[in-house]
Amino acid sequence: AQKVTQAQTEISVVEKEDVTLDCVYETRDTTYYLFWYKQPPSGELVFLIRRNSFDEQNEISGRYSWNFQKSTSSFNFTITASQVVDSAVYFCALSEGYGGATNKLIFGTGTLLAVQP
Amino acid sequence: EPEVTQTPSHQVTQMGQEVILRCVPISNHLYFYWYRQILGQKVEFLVSFYNNEISEKSEIFDDQFSVERPDGSNFTLKIRSTKLEDSAMYFCASEDRSYEQYFGPGTRLTVT
Repeated sequence: AQKVTQAQTEISVVEKEDVTLDCVYETRDTTYYLFWYKQPPSGELVFLIRRNSFDEQNEISGRYSWNFQKSTSSFNFTITASQVVDSAVYFCALSEGYGGATNKLIFGTGTLLAVQP
Repeated sequence: EPEVTQTPSHQVTQMGQEVILRCVPISNHLYFYWYRQILGQKVEFLVSFYNNEISEKSEIFDDQFSVERPDGSNFTLKIRSTKLEDSAMYFCASEDRSYEQYFGPGTRLTVT
């Protein structure tokens, strides 16, 4: 069965601190996608990254970086030098399969990140 | 940049009334989805739609719910007889061939 676990419900940091958001997933498929979305207080879902199961290379985009480890079924997200604008709920999500008639996303419960000035 | 749009942004309705939530997906996308997020909770899959039919639905998507793509552009979610527990944010998403889902801004449904 598919499942995404984000064990950290809330994290509070002070501006400029680094912070890592954890994501652990379960799937029986060998082909799948993993995602991170940001949900600011305004409520929309902002796409951050998609990673397919064949690509374990870490990715860096500005202050954001992602660590994908199949051995531990984890896809962790690190924000370096956090800023107040990073305050949001962050969701990790999983999609199984390629090119089927549905690629539904299974979301974790989210981590609320509060960055204090 | 093309985007998914949803109307209305906020809908207030009385219990037992029918509501229709509207979405305009990105024009060349093939897969369409509805998700629901009850306040303070995670985003949950409701239904996926491909090739003019439902391809998968969750346990939440019972007989009170239906989806339609009436004119090849709009994608609608209808709730026939709303209940208090249907109060939530409803997100539409459309997906291109690269399996990236683009979400609309959501419709907040309040059932009183």
